[in-house]
Amino acid sequence: QVQLQESGPGLVKPSETLSLTCTVSGDSVSNGRYYWSWIRQPPGRGLEWIGYIYYSGNTNYNPSLKSRVTISVDTSKNQFSLKLSSVTAADTAVYYCARDLMGANGGVWFDPWGQGTLVTVSS
Amino acid sequence: SYVLTQPPSVSVAPGKTARITCGGNNIGSESVHWYQQKPGHAPVLVIYDDSDRPSGIPERFSGSNSGNTATLTISRVEAGDEADYYCQVWDSSGDHAVFGGGTKLTVL
Repeated sequence: QVQLQESGPGLVKPSETLSLTCTVSGDSVSNGRYYWSWIRQPPGRGLEWIGYIYYSGNTNYNPSLKSRVTISVDTSKNQFSLKLSSVTAADTAVYYCARDLMGANGGVWFDPWGQGTLVTVSS
Repeated sequence: SYVLTQPPSVSVAPGKTARITCGGNNIGSESVHWYQQKPGHAPVLVIYDDSDRPSGIPERFSGSNSGNTATLTISRVEAGDEADYYCQVWDSSGDHAVFGGGTKLTVL
């Protein structure tokens, strides 16, 4: 059974860099069948996809966040990570990591998700 | 960027059928996926590729997609189905995911 677990600081100061790690168990981030994504949800609001990474290091990011986001992978630790720079209060959210699955006709969906971690941006 | 539109809320009595819509330009040509999110929990996939159910999801959950509207249908609604539901597609032109704004399902 695949499980994902987010970890990292729950409080980040404005203008600093948010850093989170997702640890995968029950599967390998080097499994070429999957991509691995970060998704966030501000309190009381909807879901926003942040970006994905492939085990080779290939990445793609949400255009609205692209200038501030870096996603990396550590295959030796079976982890992938998120860095979001120059954060503001608007970046306060629950951050989820998830596995991407792809269908034969090009559809991509997320399953499973980690439990999520709340990151608050405040001084 | 592709936009998905969901009604903010849907209410249904126990035992009845709930239909949650997801509107998008020619969404029928896209693969639509649905997630259920209960308060304080991560989203859970309930439908993928328009109408397929992951293992462990009850047959009461079904999906359809045609024209400009995709629909998640929940038959014989139970109190435990009360949750937020999100639709999602992959915008292949921009190579990124798009989520609808979410629909809160209330079981009366």
